[in-house]
Amino acid sequence: DTAVSQTPKYLVTQMGNDKSIKCEQNLGHDTMYWYKQDSKKFLKIMFSYNNKELIINETVPNRFSPKSPDKAHLNLHINSLELGDSAVYFCASSQSGVSEAFFGQGTRLTVV
Amino acid sequence: GENVEQHPSTLSVQEGDSAVIKCTYSDSASNYFPWYKQELGKGPQLIIDIRSNVGEKKDQRIAVTLNKTAKHFSLHITETQPEDSAVYFCAASTGNQFYFGTGTSLTVIP
Repeated sequence: DTAVSQTPKYLVTQMGNDKSIKCEQNLGHDTMYWYKQDSKKFLKIMFSYNNKELIINETVPNRFSPKSPDKAHLNLHINSLELGDSAVYFCASSQSGVSEAFFGQGTRLTVV
Repeated sequence: GENVEQHPSTLSVQEGDSAVIKCTYSDSASNYFPWYKQELGKGPQLIIDIRSNVGEKKDQRIAVTLNKTAKHFSLHITETQPEDSAVYFCAASTGNQFYFGTGTSLTVIP
């Protein structure tokens, strides 16, 4: 059983399009995250949700909108995609209070 | 917010030698320090972690040390093997936020 699963694994799209990445965790965790990993491998936090409530929103353009329908899901919707959005996006989850974060396998987004 | 610095950015060692990666953090409220290994095309995976009430932790060939006063923590890999080649990330957490270092690309030369 995959603990944190993301779909799709690869996403190629044109500039200006709108796309979504889905994430689900079956670990019963109460906190979920989205990270962006650029070509230099930097892992930058974008959003953090605890019990479906947004607790972190780093300096991310408002074209990025996370949606958490329940504690097990945190989806990422991106409007008006730009070339600079090309990166690998990772979803992760953890149980608040001090525990490890489990990562999905990543979604490689390429904007052409 | 928290600022985690990691050095070196790249590291090459001969098989069998030791590798050391060092991190510093800025937020004294951080109390959990995991280390992740990321292989090509995969998500980061936890390899070892340490909590603020512990100074050192060891798991077979991997050890982590923490100096809370200096806000330093380090990863030590002994008897390196080619399969240790990967990108390693340190992180600092206050409970529900994880801030990552910039990564170290480790290459173990057979």
